[in-house]
Amino acid sequence: QKEVEQNSGPLSVPEGAIASLNCTYSDRGSQSFFWYRQYSGKSPELIMSIYSNGDKEDGRFTAQLNKASQYVSLLIRDSQPSDSATYLCAVKFGSEKLVFGKGTKLTVNP
Amino acid sequence: GAGVSQSPSNKVTEKGKDVELRCDPISGHTALYWYRQRLGQGLEFLIYFQGNSAPDKSGLPSDRFSAERTGESVSTLTIQRTQQEDSAVYLCASRRGRLAGHTGELFFGEGSRLTVL
Repeated sequence: QKEVEQNSGPLSVPEGAIASLNCTYSDRGSQSFFWYRQYSGKSPELIMSIYSNGDKEDGRFTAQLNKASQYVSLLIRDSQPSDSATYLCAVKFGSEKLVFGKGTKLTVNP
Repeated sequence: GAGVSQSPSNKVTEKGKDVELRCDPISGHTALYWYRQRLGQGLEFLIYFQGNSAPDKSGLPSDRFSAERTGESVSTLTIQRTQQEDSAVYLCASRRGRLAGHTGELFFGEGSRLTVL
């Protein structure tokens, strides 16, 4: 069973703080990892992808991957109210199957 | 069109009826995925199509669910003898190229909201 686990939250942070979102996955052989953002009532959109151990930064977002621990995280620096959304971790299993976690709902309070 | 198009956007049906949901992917996108999202839940993988390869049907929850795709164009997801637990948003996504190439961006449609009474 290919599984992706996320803390469902909700996670609430004040504006300007760092939000930390975590994800674990079941298949040690997985090579590709993604973070999608889903606003309420909308469809998911890709915000970050990561393939190698370590950190990958894109603006206020940093994805972190530790394959040995089967753990991937997303940090959002200087959180803004517009970051309030559900964040979905997705992991590629096998050649083409993309499995999503249940998502973590983030609220950034002004 | 510019994006993934799904129809109908909303469907209300009675228990036991069959429903058909349609997805029109972005032109040139070879891969097409169907996901189900129940209220407040994550995305549940149903099926994906990649070009002319055999589809991965491993996520279909029962034999009441089936999906077809003609070449690299439109796909239809059919749910027979609908049950109340089938109520959810059904999301279609398409992608250009193979996921194995690391490109993981799925472009999602707006979804078809199914309500089974």
